[in-house]
Amino acid sequence: GQQVMQIPQYQHVQEGEDFTTYCNSSTTLSNIQWYKQRPGGHPVFLIQLVKSGEVKKQKRLTFQFGEAKKNSSLHITATQTTDVGTYFCAGRPSGTYKYIFGTGTRLKVLA
Amino acid sequence: DTEVTQTPKHLVMGMTNKKSLKCEQHMGHRAMYWYKQKAKKPPELMFVYSYEKLSINESVPSRFSPECPNSSLLNLHLHALQPEDSALYLCASSQTKPGPRTYNEQFFGPGTRLTVL
Repeated sequence: GQQVMQIPQYQHVQEGEDFTTYCNSSTTLSNIQWYKQRPGGHPVFLIQLVKSGEVKKQKRLTFQFGEAKKNSSLHITATQTTDVGTYFCAGRPSGTYKYIFGTGTRLKVLA
Repeated sequence: DTEVTQTPKHLVMGMTNKKSLKCEQHMGHRAMYWYKQKAKKPPELMFVYSYEKLSINESVPSRFSPECPNSSLLNLHLHALQPEDSALYLCASSQTKPGPRTYNEQFFGPGTRLTVL
């Protein structure tokens, strides 16, 4: 079936270090969304990418959508303790009408 | 109001009980979703409602029965659940359901943490 994998599964960083999570789909995607889920919380929408090769920035966060629309990445510059949580990508396979969540990357930031 | 509310926050039920989870949004969204999330796993789509009609059922067992009484409300009726159904049940809404040129963010509620004994 259609799968969306994320690596790494876990990442511990020192505050101030950078962090990147990668999202890979087994099939071509129409678009991809990124969500953040704090411990004990619910997913909160961060951003959406639609075009091949698209890059979007939100302050310290940079999101990329691959040229083939099968992968994406989220990069955080100079992590802060408030960045702690699990980051999920959610891809919509082309021709379908539902999102498949990636396996998630859990980020811990050590002060 | 950009909030999705869910009740109850926690629910403990036996395998013979019948209970319902409720979800409400007042953003005028016409698509509503139920997801199931096990610990340390991603949300898994269960059902999608579009304009109060069931649009997607991800082969969910019949012991889960969704209902959309109006455009603001979404229920999930539970009956004869199994212990492995224990999870966080998340409701979400979006302006419309995903389409060929429709890309809407999903707003999630805080979830109901369900324990089946």
